Amino acid sequence: DIQMTQSPSSLSASVGDRVTITCRASQDINTYLAWYQQKPGKIPKLLIYAASTLQSGVPSRFSGSGSGTDFTLTISSLQPEDAATYYCQKYNSAPWTFGQGTKVEIK
Amino acid sequence: QVQLVQSGAEVKKPGASVKVSCKASGYAFSNYYMHWVRQAPGQGLEWMGIINPNGGNTDFAQKFQGRITMTRDTSTSTFYLELSRLRSEDTAVYFCARGPVLIVGATGWLDPWGQGTLVTVSS
Repeated sequence: DIQMTQSPSSLSASVGDRVTITCRASQDINTYLAWYQQKPGKIPKLLIYAASTLQSGVPSRFSGSGSGTDFTLTISSLQPEDAATYYCQKYNSAPWTFGQGTKVEIK
Repeated sequence: QVQLVQSGAEVKKPGASVKVSCKASGYAFSNYYMHWVRQAPGQGLEWMGIINPNGGNTDFAQKFQGRITMTRDTSTSTFYLELSRLRSEDTAVYFCARGPVLIVGATGWLDPWGQGTLVTVSS
């Protein structure tokens, strides 16, 4: 099975900072990658699919890039409401594996 | 709008089975795959399996093989997840999440998600 590895596992940044989260697949997954945001006590929310396509309604400060095995999620200017855990997920084939998550805290 | 409404919390003893439901509305039930994902307390998301509502074909994560069943009832637009031989490590919130439209194949992201069902396994 393809493994998905996120880094870092957690980070702390200030409002206005640029934040980058990395997701690495153990094999080529083309651009079959999604990013989700999960706030404490809430359900996961789709942010980005096809590695770089922003889901409708998601603020433009979020962006995704990458293909093959290396992907990034970037928050261009961190806002207080962005405090959450972010997960990548591959969806090219079963199993639809998630990364272990990156917890983003606001300083 | 698309809604996935799950059944309420459950408390089960080790060795028992649990059946969680997910009622879909706001879209053509038979046209979209459905996934199940779980999240243990304080842990990450774990994909469990997928069901094709048109025929009921399923595909499961290997770790659940042999004790997981996914079904659907087209007459009530409801999906079901059943997990047997429960152990304490199965304590988690279980989510249903809609996959892609069947016509494009199973390759697709999960959106939207149900509200989650807490299953607690405790003696």
